[in-house]
Amino acid sequence: QVQLVESGGGVVQPGRSLKLSCAASGFTFSSYGMDWVRQVPGKGLEWVAVIWNDASKKNYADSVKGRFTISRDNSKNTVSLQMNSLRPEDTAVYYCVRDFRHPAYFFDQWGQGTLVTVSS
Amino acid sequence: QTVVTQEPSFSVSPGGTITLTCGLSSGSVSSSYYPSWYQQTPGQAPRTLIYSTTTRSSGVPDRFSGSILGDKAALTITGAQADDESDYYCVLYLGSGSWVFGGGTRLTVL
Repeated sequence: QVQLVESGGGVVQPGRSLKLSCAASGFTFSSYGMDWVRQVPGKGLEWVAVIWNDASKKNYADSVKGRFTISRDNSKNTVSLQMNSLRPEDTAVYYCVRDFRHPAYFFDQWGQGTLVTVSS
Repeated sequence: QTVVTQEPSFSVSPGGTITLTCGLSSGSVSSSYYPSWYQQTPGQAPRTLIYSTTTRSSGVPDRFSGSILGDKAALTITGAQADDESDYYCVLYLGSGSWVFGGGTRLTVL
């Protein structure tokens, strides 16, 4: 079955960096776009970033553009999120998500999430 | 900036029917936004309910249905059950690999 397992969360000081990883299994990873979605504890969901199946394109939410970088390694079935210049408002659970396209556009598989806390 | 609007909260009686909506701060929601709906209970990852406006995800009971009502996307729960008490989020696809979430609706079944 499809599995998405995030890792790399933790406590980090403002202005520092952190890298999240997501290990995918149970499907042909190189055929799917992958996203990161985050959720501030007790608040709503926010789409963060997407990478095309072949890494040819990437896109980011305005709130993280220029600070976060999404990447993937199709040989290892992993997707990563490099987060730089972290701010307290980046504190959230970060979900690794598979997206489905053509002819529909939606999120069809979710990981369990990893918590990032930005605090001094 | 695109803002997606949802009712912050709703309550329904067991066995009742409720319709949650998903709108745009400016403009109308149409099927070309491929509206999708997600259910989330506390401490859990979201679960996909509806995609492409009306299509139920695998394993989703048929008491959940999606539609376009006027200028909004809608999620209707018919015959609400206690375990439908959750947060519900809609998502719109803006194109070029960009999505936007609504603020979510907290549904209480009582």
